[in-house]
Amino acid sequence: EPEVTQTPSHQVTQMGQEVILRCVPISNHLYFYWYRQILGQKVEFLVSFYNNEISEKSEIFDDQFSVERPDGSNFTLKIRSTKLEDSAMYFCASSERDRVDYGYTFGSGTRLTVV
Amino acid sequence: QQQVKQSPQSLIVQKGGISIINCAYENTAFDYFPWYQQFPGKGPALLIAIRPDVSEKKEGRFTISFNKSAKQFSLHIMDSQPGDSATYFCAALGSGNTGKLIFGQGTTLQVKP
Repeated sequence: EPEVTQTPSHQVTQMGQEVILRCVPISNHLYFYWYRQILGQKVEFLVSFYNNEISEKSEIFDDQFSVERPDGSNFTLKIRSTKLEDSAMYFCASSERDRVDYGYTFGSGTRLTVV
Repeated sequence: QQQVKQSPQSLIVQKGGISIINCAYENTAFDYFPWYQQFPGKGPALLIAIRPDVSEKKEGRFTISFNKSAKQFSLHIMDSQPGDSATYFCAALGSGNTGKLIFGQGTTLQVKP
């Protein structure tokens, strides 16, 4: 079964440093998403991306965050200057269309720890 | 209101019993309601989903009941098994055609042997 692949699985970074979280969506998918989950809490939407631009972002997704699809296969989330409260699991997802019933699939996540 | 409220926060069920998790929403523009299962260290995996024009959907031991007028929906797990022990999230597809999912707070289910 096709998978969304995320790397690294765990990243530790110093406060104030930049981090890039990487995702390889399913190959024929056109819609891409980032979510985060603070330990023990619900999964929260960060951003959706289609046709090389952001289609929606949450209030969490401030100027410190950016997304990019640098080539035909990768989808990245950059946090410019990490804060302690950015520590969370970050999940990438992709879908064929903007519908859950079109193969909307989550990756296994990257655990980001900011120290 | 872009919220989905889920209860209970945790649930302990004996093997063979029925697990019931409830969710409520306010935004009538939501038009798709999936349930996700999450094991520790893994991403959410789609379990079952329903549209608001259907009152019930069953897939194996998993059933969603949907009450559009009350704006509530629930997941029933029949004959619960220890392998069902996981965190379950209800969700709603946000309005606006951006694929945004709004998740409930999650329910940690433990099925005792």
